[in-house]
Amino acid sequence: ETVLTQSPGTLSLSPGERATLFCRASQSVSSTYFAWYQQKPGQAPRLLISSASTRATGIPDRFSGGGSGTDFTLTITRLEPEDFAVYYCQHYGSSRGTFGQGTKVEIK
Amino acid sequence: QVQLVESGGGVVQPGRSVRLSCAASGFTFSNYGMHWVRQAPGKGLEWVAVIWHDGRRTDYADSVKGRFIISRDNSRNTLYLQMTSLGAEDTALYFCARDGATGAWDSWGQGTLVIVSS
Repeated sequence: ETVLTQSPGTLSLSPGERATLFCRASQSVSSTYFAWYQQKPGQAPRLLISSASTRATGIPDRFSGGGSGTDFTLTITRLEPEDFAVYYCQHYGSSRGTFGQGTKVEIK
Repeated sequence: QVQLVESGGGVVQPGRSVRLSCAASGFTFSNYGMHWVRQAPGKGLEWVAVIWHDGRRTDYADSVKGRFIISRDNSRNTLYLQMTSLGAEDTALYFCARDGATGAWDSWGQGTLVIVSS
């Protein structure tokens, strides 16, 4: 089973700054089945990116995903106040879903 | 719009059972695979189970295999999770989620909380 490790655990940044989140898979995975989700306190996760780099409907273009093989990134070019949240990467091959442990983006 | 609403959670004694429901609306439920995902208090997301759109195939996380059963009633647009032999480790917020067109999970309910405690 593929294990996803996210880094850093916490990212402390100010509004307007750039955020780069990392997710490393324990073995190579298809980017076709790689996603990022955002979760705010008390809310359900929300799909941001699928297929490693495709923004979901309604997601602003300040969010972008990239990577392949074992290394994937989520970049938020200019943090807005509503972007401070926890972000999870996911591999969803074979209909199962494996999540990373999450990266918290907090206000510095 | 797509809506998923979970119910059935509450406080359950260890070793007992509970059935969760997820009522779907705003889309053709029978066309989509569905998942249950849980989140223990203060922890990350853990996939629990999946059911194919027609209910003919299911799969489970090792942590729940043999204790949980996922099912669906496409005539009622409802997803279920029958949970048995519950332990403290099953205490979590349980979400249902839809398999989207890309395979990623594009719609989620707000969750129902299950607390296993005597």
